Amino acid sequence: DARVTQTPRHKVTEMGQEVTMRCQPILGHNTVFWYRQTMMQGLELLAYFRNRAPLDDSGMPKDRFSAEMPDATLATLKIQPSEPRDSAVYFCASGLVLPRSYNEQFFGPGTRLTVL
Amino acid sequence: EDQVTQSPEALRLQEGESSSLNCSYTVSGLRGLFWYRQDPGKGPEFLFTLYSAGEEKEKERLKATLTKKESFLHITAPKPEDSATYLCAVQDATSGSRLTFGEGTQLTVNP
Repeated sequence: DARVTQTPRHKVTEMGQEVTMRCQPILGHNTVFWYRQTMMQGLELLAYFRNRAPLDDSGMPKDRFSAEMPDATLATLKIQPSEPRDSAVYFCASGLVLPRSYNEQFFGPGTRLTVL
Repeated sequence: EDQVTQSPEALRLQEGESSSLNCSYTVSGLRGLFWYRQDPGKGPEFLFTLYSAGEEKEKERLKATLTKKESFLHITAPKPEDSATYLCAVQDATSGSRLTFGEGTQLTVNP
């Protein structure tokens, strides 16, 4: 049963600390997305990669957030330094995007981040 | 800028009481409209993709329809296990793979 996995599932940290979230996309998918979900803003796209190359990171605060794909099986989202307003659930999703196709995105279980 | 508005925000039904959820959208060119189901503490689960006005898709008690301005998710004879938040998202033909999500409709089905 192919699915997106994320670690950790929960993270509590103090303001100013570095936070790293990890995602393993579904094998064979070429596009990986990072979303953030809050009660106030709903589900927002932070960034996404195609074939490990960043395509769009316009939703991501550049000064403290960074996203990378060291290899095809691992995507990371890092926050340094973290702030209380970063508290949210962070979802990774993956999909297979082909020319002239319509691409569904499949979501992981999320990382619930609390910054104190 | 793409916009997605879902209504109602919350809906409470009795088991067996059919109803519809609405998703109104504004995009420069619709590439696809997506419906997801999200259970508490879990990630969104993909349900349907609709590509063009007039298209319909069904899955068990759910049927999604699409017009040029909105989509409906019809729930026929719902059961308590259908309780969840239903999210609608659009993909604009000019924005790559970006999805813009609505705020969701929280559905509760009472036995």
